[in-house]
Amino acid sequence: AQSVTQLGSHVSVSEGALVLLRCNYSSSVPPYLFWYVQYPNQGLQLLLKYTSAATLVKGINGFEAEFKKSETSFHLTKPSAHMSDAAEYFCAVSASGNQFYFGTGTSLTVIP
Amino acid sequence: DSGVTQTPKHLITATGQRVTLRCSPRSGDLSVYWYQQSLDQGLQFLIQYYNGEERAKGNILERFSAQQFPDLHSELNLSSLELGDSALYFCASSAQPGSYYEQYFGPGTRLTVT
Repeated sequence: AQSVTQLGSHVSVSEGALVLLRCNYSSSVPPYLFWYVQYPNQGLQLLLKYTSAATLVKGINGFEAEFKKSETSFHLTKPSAHMSDAAEYFCAVSASGNQFYFGTGTSLTVIP
Repeated sequence: DSGVTQTPKHLITATGQRVTLRCSPRSGDLSVYWYQQSLDQGLQFLIQYYNGEERAKGNILERFSAQQFPDLHSELNLSSLELGDSALYFCASSAQPGSYYEQYFGPGTRLTVT
C-alpha cells in the first residue's frame, strides 16, 4: 500500500524567503513521486516528478525536490518565494498498479 | 492549458437526480482518470480507464459509473445524488497507464447538489 503525508496544511512565508513544503511517503516498492500545484479555480498542474533517475529533481517555476530514501521524504523547496507562488500544493505517490495517492495538500501563502 | 477538457464547468442539481460529466483527454493520451475533490476528503481517486477498458478502481460509490468511448473521451455518471456528492470532479489523462506517466488535469466540473 502507498500513501503520502504532507506536514502542515498551511504554510506562510515572506516574499523572497525560502519555501519548504514537506512530504513523506510510504511505499513497499520503489515509488514514483510527484508534486502538483493547484491555483484557485483551476486543475492541478505538474511541478516535477521523481522517477529514480536522480535524487534531486528540478521542476518548473524554480521549484525542486529531493528524494531521500532513508527519510522516506520528498520535500519541495524554492529558494525565494514569489507572490505568484501562492497556491495549494499536492504531493502524490504511485508505485504499483495504476493508482495515484495524493496528500491532503498544503496551502502556501506568500506575505508581501 | 493542460489540453484536457471537461464539461460542464458548473452543474447545479437536486438530490436524487442523475448527471453526466464529460472529459476529453489530451491528444494522444490513452488513459483517463477521474477524481473527486472535496473539502473534507481531499483528492480521492475514483476510477481509471485505458483505451476503453477499466484499469483501476478507487473509492468510487456504486451510484457512480464511468466509461471511456472509442474516441477516448470519458463520461462519469453520478446517480441518486446526495448532498455529500457536492464536490469538484477532475479528469486527468496520461499517455499510458502506469506509475511512470504523469497525469495532466482538466479544469474540473464543480457539482452542487441542493
